[in-house]
Amino acid sequence: GENVEQHPSTLSVQEGDSAVIKCTYSDSASNYFPWYKQELGKRPQLIIDIRSNVGEKKDQRIAVTLNKTAKHFSLHITETQPEDSAVYFCAARKGGTSYGKLTFGQGTILTVHP
Amino acid sequence: NAGVTQTPKFQVLKTGQSMTLQCAQDMNHEYMSWYRQDPGMGLRLIHYSVGAGITDQGEVPNGYNVSRSTTEDFPLRLLSAAPSQTSVYFCASRKGGTETQYFGPGTRLLVL
Repeated sequence: GENVEQHPSTLSVQEGDSAVIKCTYSDSASNYFPWYKQELGKRPQLIIDIRSNVGEKKDQRIAVTLNKTAKHFSLHITETQPEDSAVYFCAARKGGTSYGKLTFGQGTILTVHP
Repeated sequence: NAGVTQTPKFQVLKTGQSMTLQCAQDMNHEYMSWYRQDPGMGLRLIHYSVGAGITDQGEVPNGYNVSRSTTEDFPLRLLSAAPSQTSVYFCASRKGGTETQYFGPGTRLLVL
């Protein structure tokens, strides 16, 4: 089955700096890659996603890039703010309209220091 | 819309006890899933359902049962709780043909 590896496990940055979290996946058939943000004690919330037919997607301060050949994708957060502090999870799924199991990475604890 | 709801929020069990974690969604989503979240391991799929009357196993199904008698509800049953089942459990749903999965608020379970 699919295996998703996520790095780093913890990331500490100063407010205003950029943060990058990287994930690799094993199944070349995976074609959907979401990123979730989870604040302490809360549920995971989707922040951005990308499909395999797109190389990059941006939404204000966050962006995701995908390299299908290398089977890795990354989350980029620019101009970080203290409210960006949370656990971030990447995930991968294959399949179109069928169910397609979502496999998650291990998570990255991001801390943004004021 | 209430979205995805879960009850209880927190539960303490003794080893060997049984219980049911409730999950409901009011968005008419076909797909529903149960995950457990443990430190350093991300979210792992326990069971999932693609519609009423249809369920299947995920990565870590042992010790858990599910059923899906209606589109709205997807309860998770622990038959004989073990300390290894101490975790945070999330239910999620997704509409067929779409990508976005919505999570419930979670149930924190402690098995002594």
